[in-house]
Amino acid sequence: DIVMTQSPLSLSVTPGEPAAISCRSNQSLQQSNAHKYLDWYLQKPGQSPQLLIFLGSNRAPGVPDRFSGSGSGTDFTLKINRVEAEDVGVYYCMQGQQIPPTFGQGTRVDIK
Amino acid sequence: EVQLVESGGGLVKPGGSLRLSCAASGFTLSSYSLNWVRQAPGKGLEWVSSISGSSSYISYADSVKGRFTVSRDNAQNSLFLQMNSLRAEDTGVYYCARVLRDPVMKMDFWGQGTLVTVSS
Repeated sequence: DIVMTQSPLSLSVTPGEPAAISCRSNQSLQQSNAHKYLDWYLQKPGQSPQLLIFLGSNRAPGVPDRFSGSGSGTDFTLKINRVEAEDVGVYYCMQGQQIPPTFGQGTRVDIK
Repeated sequence: EVQLVESGGGLVKPGGSLRLSCAASGFTLSSYSLNWVRQAPGKGLEWVSSISGSSSYISYADSVKGRFTVSRDNAQNSLFLQMNSLRAEDTGVYYCARVLRDPVMKMDFWGQGTLVTVSS
């Protein structure tokens, strides 16, 4: 199975400041068609997960443009330009390059 | 409005069985693959199973293979997960999620989850 490693595991951010979460895989998530088989999900407190970013860098409908995804191969990053109070929760990356799909451990983001 | 509503969770003894359901509305179920994803208490997300729109492609996590069976009834707009030989480590919230990019990615809608507790 592909192992996904996120860092940091927790992040405390001042509102309006940027934040970044790293996600690394032990195998490349980029196929010859150049697609990057990585999604980002956010699970807000007490809620189900929600899709933020798909195929590495594409924002899902309705996701604010302060969220961006980047990276290639085995190294990916989720950035939040200016963190807002509503962004608290646990962020997960997930690879779909290979079955079984596997998630990172999650990164908990809270507000200072 | 797209909705996924899970049901069927509960308390069951080790070795017992449960059947989870996921009722879909607001979209044509047969056009989409669906995933089951679970979350143990206080833990992260774990993919459990995936089934394609026509049920022609089915896959399972190794941890549930041979014990869980996924199925769907597109006419009834429903997804199911038959769970047998349950173990304590199967305890958690089970979510169904719609897949936009086959076979397992881009899960754009998730249900609210149903809690399964395996304990004597």
